Amino acid sequence: SQTIHQWPATLVQPVGSPLSLECTVEGTSNPNLYWYRQAAGRGLQLLFYSVGIGQISSEVPQNLSASRPQDRQFILSSKKLLLSDSGFYLCAWSVRQGRTEAFFGQGTRLTVV
Amino acid sequence: AQSVSQHNHHVILSEAASLELGCNYSYGGTVNLFWYVQYPGQHLQLLLKYFSGDPLVKGIKGFEAEFIKSKFSFNLRKPSVQWSDTAEYFCAVTLMDTGRRALTFGSGTRLQVQP
Repeated sequence: SQTIHQWPATLVQPVGSPLSLECTVEGTSNPNLYWYRQAAGRGLQLLFYSVGIGQISSEVPQNLSASRPQDRQFILSSKKLLLSDSGFYLCAWSVRQGRTEAFFGQGTRLTVV
Repeated sequence: AQSVSQHNHHVILSEAASLELGCNYSYGGTVNLFWYVQYPGQHLQLLLKYFSGDPLVKGIKGFEAEFIKSKFSFNLRKPSVQWSDTAEYFCAVTLMDTGRRALTFGSGTRLQVQP
């Protein structure tokens, strides 16, 4: 069966520090991969999605970037965190063709101080 | 751009009451529709989904949803809620005609069931 791993679960970082959140998927090949940010009362906002290695689409301009160095690995990064980057970040995957339901990781609670 | 609206932001019910959470989307083409649930302290889970066929779909834990194309709606229902249904519920849509497979979410509805 497929599983998705996301770490760390919680992270406290100072303003101006770099960020790297990692997500890996097991049990499937060529998945679509997604990074979402969840804010209270605002649902889930799509940040990035990827249909293949090195292929990243950005949904909103921001202080973050994403990379996909391997087929089942998706990384969310920042060179210098801002206070406004605080939030709950979710990684998700879906199959490349056919049905579009997405499966989510446990999420990372990021607090920038 | 497409959007998903959940008009009920916070719903408080007593156990055994009936539930209906509204969801409307703004897109005229072919859609896939979903309800996800997030229980306190847990990850987001798929509750039910609609791809095609019977517009009344049944999900886990006694939930169901009805796709009404003419109203662009996909409301979630449960005849009798339990305390364990306390959670946040999210409606989501994918636009099948565009090839864009990413889910667009509504803002969520927090359901609180009182014993």
